[in-house]
Amino acid sequence: DQQVKQNSPSLSVQEGRISILNCDYTNSMFDYFLWYKKYPAEGPTFLISISSIKDKNEDGRFTVFLNKSAKHLSLHIVPSQPGDSAVYFCAARTSGGSNYKLTFGKGTLLTVNP
Amino acid sequence: KAGVTQTPRYLIKTRGQQVTLSCSPISGHRSVSWYQQTPGQGLQFLFEYFSETQRNKGNFPGRFSGRQFSNSRSEMNVSTLELGDSALYLCASSPGLAANTDTQYFGPGTRLTVL
Repeated sequence: DQQVKQNSPSLSVQEGRISILNCDYTNSMFDYFLWYKKYPAEGPTFLISISSIKDKNEDGRFTVFLNKSAKHLSLHIVPSQPGDSAVYFCAARTSGGSNYKLTFGKGTLLTVNP
Repeated sequence: KAGVTQTPRYLIKTRGQQVTLSCSPISGHRSVSWYQQTPGQGLQFLFEYFSETQRNKGNFPGRFSGRQFSNSRSEMNVSTLELGDSALYLCASSPGLAANTDTQYFGPGTRLTVL
């Protein structure tokens, strides 16, 4: 059973526009969420995170929104740049008991066209 | 600060052999987690070590094992390699003291090919 789902395998946007990447989860015990960006044959690069006590977190061009009742989060990138083209992974964790296991979605390939 | 380093970056082995991968976390970080990435299964958690003790474990067979040294460096071992073990193996480093806020930072990975 996939506990973290990224239902869009790919997304294409124009440079300068907004990119919105979505993620749904089923485990209500998840209380910390992270977004990573990944290029082929490289490790994931941390972008932004959000705790379940918040519903929004911003860092520069990146904003993550969390809707706990819908078990849904989204990553907004504004404005999108060609260098943002990569696979984006949503990951979730339950923090109880010093749990550091991340459960990942399958990823969304973002392509930003010049 | 230097990032997470993994060695070797690439490895080719044959079925039945064993392999050891190494991970050096960010200085000051005491938690090291290991993940396997394959095209079919995505990124899956193997295990996590903190202060030389395995603290969390994923759903992998006993052929996959690890350890952590007093300097927080970690090694992962896979014995009796199978074709399906071909994957990108990633380690992630974090301070390890606050699971509700810690960020995990990944290394570049080791690409293992089993022939």
